Amino acid sequence: AQTVTQSQPEMSVQEAETVTLSCTYDTSESDYYLFWYKQPPSRQMILVIRQEAYKQQNATENRFSVNFQKAAKSFSLKISDSQLGDAAMYFCANRGSNYKLTFGKGTLLTVNP
Amino acid sequence: GAGVSQTPSNKVTEKGKYVELRCDPISGHTALYWYRQSLGQGPEFLIYFQGTGAADDSGLPNDRFFAVRPEGSVSTLKIQRTERGDSAVYLCASSLRGREEQYFGPGTRLTVT
Repeated sequence: AQTVTQSQPEMSVQEAETVTLSCTYDTSESDYYLFWYKQPPSRQMILVIRQEAYKQQNATENRFSVNFQKAAKSFSLKISDSQLGDAAMYFCANRGSNYKLTFGKGTLLTVNP
Repeated sequence: GAGVSQTPSNKVTEKGKYVELRCDPISGHTALYWYRQSLGQGPEFLIYFQGTGAADDSGLPNDRFFAVRPEGSVSTLKIQRTERGDSAVYLCASSLRGREEQYFGPGTRLTVT
């Protein structure tokens, strides 16, 4: 079984500052993928960034980057130069060989102007 | 191109009634997934289709829940004898084959009174 834990129910950041969202996971598989999804009030889940477990290099997508610590089973998301449009629920997710996503409970990010 | 669409956007029904929720995946996507998101939680897997067949239905909570995808495109999630505990947002996602990125629809918010 796979589990994903997000220990921060809520986080806040000042516009233009940097914030890090935490995620830990557990899996018995050696081949898996990790994701961060953003869910604004419109409910639609939007993929922010993905990381293949076999890759040592941390994934980056513009202002979004991850810190993937495989041995510690940690997968944090860093948002640089935060913008008002970044405000949303953020979900960490794991996908193994069975294709289904296992999500954490989410972190609500507030961006203050 | 068009993304994943779901209808209705919102559904209110009385306890004990039957409901159908529809998902239109991205054209050409053979894999389709249903997830359920209860208030304050991350989405939880319900069922995964590859083509017309259910490849994994291990997430369906009980036999009141059933899903079909008769022509390998549109899918319908059916809930019989609804209960108040079924109230949630039901999300649908599709991917090109199975291992690729899952694209989510906006969800259907089901409220059972």
